[in-house]
Amino acid sequence: AQSVAQPEDQVNVAEGNPLTVKCTYSVSGNPYLFWYVQYPNRGLQFLLKYITGDNLVKGSYGFEAEFNKSQTSFHLKKPSALVSDSALYFCAVRDLNQAGTALIFGKGTTLSVSS
Amino acid sequence: DSGVTQTPKHLITATGQRVTLRCSPRSGDLSVYWYQQSLDQGLQFLIQYYNGEERAKGNILERFSAQQFPDLHSELNLSSLELGDSALYFCASSVLTGAITEAFFGQGTRLTVV
Repeated sequence: AQSVAQPEDQVNVAEGNPLTVKCTYSVSGNPYLFWYVQYPNRGLQFLLKYITGDNLVKGSYGFEAEFNKSQTSFHLKKPSALVSDSALYFCAVRDLNQAGTALIFGKGTTLSVSS
Repeated sequence: DSGVTQTPKHLITATGQRVTLRCSPRSGDLSVYWYQQSLDQGLQFLIQYYNGEERAKGNILERFSAQQFPDLHSELNLSSLELGDSALYFCASSVLTGAITEAFFGQGTRLTVV
């Protein structure tokens, strides 16, 4: 079965420092991986995706993610964190086990950036 | 703004009642997904429709049903509501149903069952 794991419930980082939000995946076949962000009282916003090709994927708001096949990881990164990056981050994998194309989400990681 | 519209934003109802949540996908998007977000279960996929037909089912209870209409808007019907059904319900849409397409989410309907 397809699944993703986000091992950290919360990540704390100071403004200006680099940030990493971790995600590992388990899939049968090719992984199609996504990152979304959720601000309070808002829906999920798409940040970036990995389909194939370059292991470093660039996305919205200065975020990027590094795909590592040997470690089955897809960590979200940003070189310099902003207070406004504080939000709930979800890693997701496409469910290829059925006819549909639903995303299976991790439990989420709360990012807190302090000034 | 993702372009996905959900109504109502908030809904408070009593146990045993039935409610209907509505979703208008982004213009041109044929695929609609429904998700439930709760503190204990996280984000759970409920059901997907593509161009009016059911495409996939997730952890959707038998008390819940959905449909997608010819104009592509979708409705999620929740009946015989229980306290545990209180959650945030999201609709998402995508232009295709392929594996590589990202989905765009609405702002959700917060359902409170009292």
